[in-house]
Amino acid sequence: DADVTQTPRNRITKTGKRIMLECSQTKGHDRMYWYRQDPGLGLRLIYYSFDVKDINKGEISDGYSVSRQAQAKFSLSLESAIPNQTALYFCATSDFGGSETQYFGPGTRLLVL
Amino acid sequence: QKEVEQDPGPLSVPEGAIVSLNCTYSNSAFQYFMWYRQYSRKGPELLMYTYSSGNKEDGRFTAQVDKSSKYISLFIRDSQPSDSATYLCAMMRDDKIIFGKGTRLHILP
Repeated sequence: DADVTQTPRNRITKTGKRIMLECSQTKGHDRMYWYRQDPGLGLRLIYYSFDVKDINKGEISDGYSVSRQAQAKFSLSLESAIPNQTALYFCATSDFGGSETQYFGPGTRLLVL
Repeated sequence: QKEVEQDPGPLSVPEGAIVSLNCTYSNSAFQYFMWYRQYSRKGPELLMYTYSSGNKEDGRFTAQVDKSSKYISLFIRDSQPSDSATYLCAMMRDDKIIFGKGTRLHILP
């Protein structure tokens, strides 16, 4: 089984809808991250969490929110989806003190119409 | 000036050739330097990371960091078709990673 899993893998939604992307990990890591990847823009950090009670904004947090339900679970929500949030979303984890070594999930491909 | 610059390619080389992938950066506060590989429709996976200037070797891969020039490189020896992927450089400061945009590499059989 994969160490970092993301659901759903693909999602099509309409403008204005609220959606949630979920991430689970079995690596026992404390730190979890959400990134989006766009052609020509690379990977950009949305939010990150160093433990269950710690949530931090990344480079592009506007229009997104997160919830760290447990050490192993980190969810990303789009409160009111818009077309320019169409992207590939990745969850990643790392161990405490080892942010340079991140383990990525398989990604969620999101299309907002 | 962007913090991390990476040529997006694509870069096409024949099988067996030595591949050189490069990134430049502007912030001297970066402490760790990483290379990730991303296959199509997959998440990135860490290839190598290094902390100091100099070379680090792992099999066919060599990572090189020149802090004085703010320049990092990844060399792939005896390139194989299975090396065809996008290679992302990344740099870390204060527990935050900044990724380059990635270079698409094609190894031609």
